[in-house]
Amino acid sequence: AQKVTQAQTEISVVEKEDVTLDCVYETRDTTYYLFWYKQPPSGELVFLIRRNSFDEQNEISGRYSWNFQKSTSSFNFTITASQVVDSAVYFCALSEATGTASKLTFGTGTRLQVTL
Amino acid sequence: DTGVSQNPRHKITKRGQNVTFRCDPISEHNRLYWYRQTLGQGPEFLTYFQNEAQLEKSRLLSDRFSAERPKGSFSTLEIQRTEQGDSAMYLCASSLGAGPRVGELFFGEGSRLTVL
Repeated sequence: AQKVTQAQTEISVVEKEDVTLDCVYETRDTTYYLFWYKQPPSGELVFLIRRNSFDEQNEISGRYSWNFQKSTSSFNFTITASQVVDSAVYFCALSEATGTASKLTFGTGTRLQVTL
Repeated sequence: DTGVSQNPRHKITKRGQNVTFRCDPISEHNRLYWYRQTLGQGPEFLTYFQNEAQLEKSRLLSDRFSAERPKGSFSTLEIQRTEQGDSAMYLCASSLGAGPRVGELFFGEGSRLTVL
């Protein structure tokens, strides 16, 4: 069975602070995909990133960066110089690495509140 | 570019009534997914379609739930004899399926169901 744990329920930071959202996963699959999605107050989940389990290279996209460590089954997400617009619930998710990744298993999410 | 559209956005019903939700995916997407999200939780997979074929159903989808995608375009999710435990946000998502954008789901804003 697959499981995703996001132990941080809620994080509050002041604008321009860096913040890291933790994600730990469990799976018996040898190959799998990991994802991060953002759910702003409007409610519509937005895809941020997908990583394949055989690609442990960290990724940076603007103020966002992701640290994938297979040895600790973690896929953490860092926002540098946070902004108020980053306020949202962030979900980490996992799927088997078939060609379709049809079923995503989501964590319970981390609510990020960025204040001025 | 229109996104995934869901309606109704809100539905309040009495226990025992039937409800139906509709999802219109992004037109070129051949895959369509239904997820359910309760307060403070991540989305839970219910079912998915490739074109008109329903390829996977979660055990969460009891026999009171039925989903269809008759012409491989829009989809409906019907809940019969609603129970208070069915109260949740029902999320629809679509995707291109396999290839470089595998797992990149485009979500609608959801249909919130309240069962009194």
